Amino acid sequence: DAGVTQSPTHLIKTRGQQVTLRCSPKSGHDTVSWYQQALGQGPQFIFQYYEEEERQRGNFPDRFSGHQFPNYSSELNVNALLLGDSALYLCASSFRAGGGTGELFFGEGSRLTVL
Amino acid sequence: GESVGLHLPTLSVQEGDNSIINCAYSNSASDYFIWYKQESGKGPQFIIDIRSNMDKRQGQRVTVLLNKTVKHLSLQIAATQPGDSAVYFCADPLLGGGTSYGKLTFGQGTILTVHP
Repeated sequence: DAGVTQSPTHLIKTRGQQVTLRCSPKSGHDTVSWYQQALGQGPQFIFQYYEEEERQRGNFPDRFSGHQFPNYSSELNVNALLLGDSALYLCASSFRAGGGTGELFFGEGSRLTVL
Repeated sequence: GESVGLHLPTLSVQEGDNSIINCAYSNSASDYFIWYKQESGKGPQFIIDIRSNMDKRQGQRVTVLLNKTVKHLSLQIAATQPGDSAVYFCADPLLGGGTSYGKLTFGQGTILTVHP
């Protein structure tokens, strides 16, 4: 049973560029949430996708956008990259928008470095 | 503002000791809490959760205690092993206006180091 898979695992970009990160949820899950984790900090919620729609959003600017596909996989896009966007981006999956439980299944993350 | 956070950023114990990791919360309406463990280079992993109608919940070698009076919860790990070395987070799904359990607000985390 495949868990949550994310790609790429590491990437380096320069300021002003755009990046796309990808996530495949755990088998049987239909909801994907994205989190940003800066070094030494806890993960911060970016947004959640369920039924191909953004359902909840954290305190992140519009430069952060996402998409969910019919097969439940998801992308996170960040435009006009800033140095402060350097972080580990985590994808977490759950079933039915996490209803009833806070048990999310996380991938190992995509490490983004902005130079 | 409302928060969920941890009392100590680091905790160092000897293998075989019991570990206690504490977490304070400020939102009196919070009724559900989750503990996650994050090993180096990995994503967080669910450990155990507790709802406000319970004071205590036990899992395999872990116990979570909830004191609603002082808005405090703790994670106890029995017979701590080197494999327990990780960062531990408590999380509150309702903090920050969450409307489902997919949106979690994590504290800073406590780094647990277990010495053989």
